[in-house]
Amino acid sequence: GNSVTQMEGPVTLSEEAFLTINCTYTATGYPSLFWYVQYPGEGLQLLLKATKADDKGSNKGFEATYRKETTSFHLEKGSVQVSDSAVYFCALRFGGANSKLTFGKGITLSVRP
Amino acid sequence: GAGVSQSPSNKVTEKGKDVELRCDPISGHTALYWYRQRLGQGLEFLIYFQGNSAPDKSGLPSDRFSAERTGESVSTLTIQRTQQEDSAVYLCASRSTGGPDGYTFGSGTRLTVV
Repeated sequence: GNSVTQMEGPVTLSEEAFLTINCTYTATGYPSLFWYVQYPGEGLQLLLKATKADDKGSNKGFEATYRKETTSFHLEKGSVQVSDSAVYFCALRFGGANSKLTFGKGITLSVRP
Repeated sequence: GAGVSQSPSNKVTEKGKDVELRCDPISGHTALYWYRQRLGQGLEFLIYFQGNSAPDKSGLPSDRFSAERTGESVSTLTIQRTQQEDSAVYLCASRSTGGPDGYTFGSGTRLTVV
């Protein structure tokens, strides 16, 4: 079946450090790929997405590129801020926008001042 | 309302009791999803409602789980004869058909079965 694998956490970084959070997927075909973020006390929200190979999603300084050859969608940010502290979930979806998402386990990021 | 509202935010129940979790989606959102997240696990899909279509129940883990939705409004997720393995955060999400991609999630209900 379809699945999403995220790197083990938690991750702790100092402010302005470079961030990479790995995500790989297993799927038959080419799904759409997403990163969701959950800030403390809030619901999950869409951070960025990519719908086909080589697409790059970006938002709030975060980027992720859909790599078909490595079935990956790693999340990166050049300089993290304390306000980026949150739980990050990678997800995939087949079909249209109403289709269900398949999520990874999530990873907690803590950024120290 | 402005967001997806779930209640209660926390629920502690005794094993064997029934519980009912509530989700108020964003007004006008036709699609509604229930997920759960057990400790150390990813979000598991449970059930999906889309307008008046038959719901997709393929993620419900057992017949102790059921969910209803009245039209395009409130949804309730019911767990009968709760077991300790039902302890999880239950998340509800909604989206508008034809709207921007991406679900709007509620803050979840943390269920603890003791």
